[in-house]
Amino acid sequence: KAGVTQTPRYLIKTRGQQVTLSCSPISGHRSVSWYQQTPGQGLQFLFEYFSETQRNKGNFPGRFSGRQFSNSRSEMNVSTLELGDSALYLCASSLAWGVGAGELFFGEGSRLTVL
Amino acid sequence: GENVEQHPSTLSVQEGDSAVIKCTYSDSASNYFPWYKQELGKRPQLIIDIRSNVGEKKDQRIAVTLNKTAKHFSLHITETQPEDSAVYFCAATAYNNNDMRFGAGTRLTVKP
Repeated sequence: KAGVTQTPRYLIKTRGQQVTLSCSPISGHRSVSWYQQTPGQGLQFLFEYFSETQRNKGNFPGRFSGRQFSNSRSEMNVSTLELGDSALYLCASSLAWGVGAGELFFGEGSRLTVL
Repeated sequence: GENVEQHPSTLSVQEGDSAVIKCTYSDSASNYFPWYKQELGKRPQLIIDIRSNVGEKKDQRIAVTLNKTAKHFSLHITETQPEDSAVYFCAATAYNNNDMRFGAGTRLTVKP
């Protein structure tokens, strides 16, 4: 079974631009969560989707948004990029929601550099 | 929302010694507490988890303890080996919720 796939793996943008990151969960997993990882800050929760609906949201500005498609694939978008948005963005999938999702399976991440 | 604090941020031990990482959480509704290990350049992976109806869980050299009254839980690694060197993250969430909140991480270095 294929793992969680994130694209692109690396990207460089300039301030003010926008970026879209993609995540394909493990087959059969219906919940997708997004995290921002920066040195010293650990894994900061962005949002979580299940059945195309955002179920939970972290403390990030409205420039960060996401969506989930009917095939459970998810995208996150960051508009008006700032230097501080430079980070590794990790996507994680889990089997379900509301019944004890348990283990999160992470992708390898998309490393975003904002210049 | 849930806030998870993790200590220490860095930990260095000699091979064969034990390592202990501690976390506290704020939301009394949290009842699922996993630990993830992230090796350099790799994705985080679950190594052990504990649910609130259990006070302690052990898996070979790794154990986790939970004190719900004090809202803290700890990871214990015995007989450490160089391959245990990694960043360890604790997390907390309500079991019926995917809003998983992580601690800031502990960088463990095991010196041979």
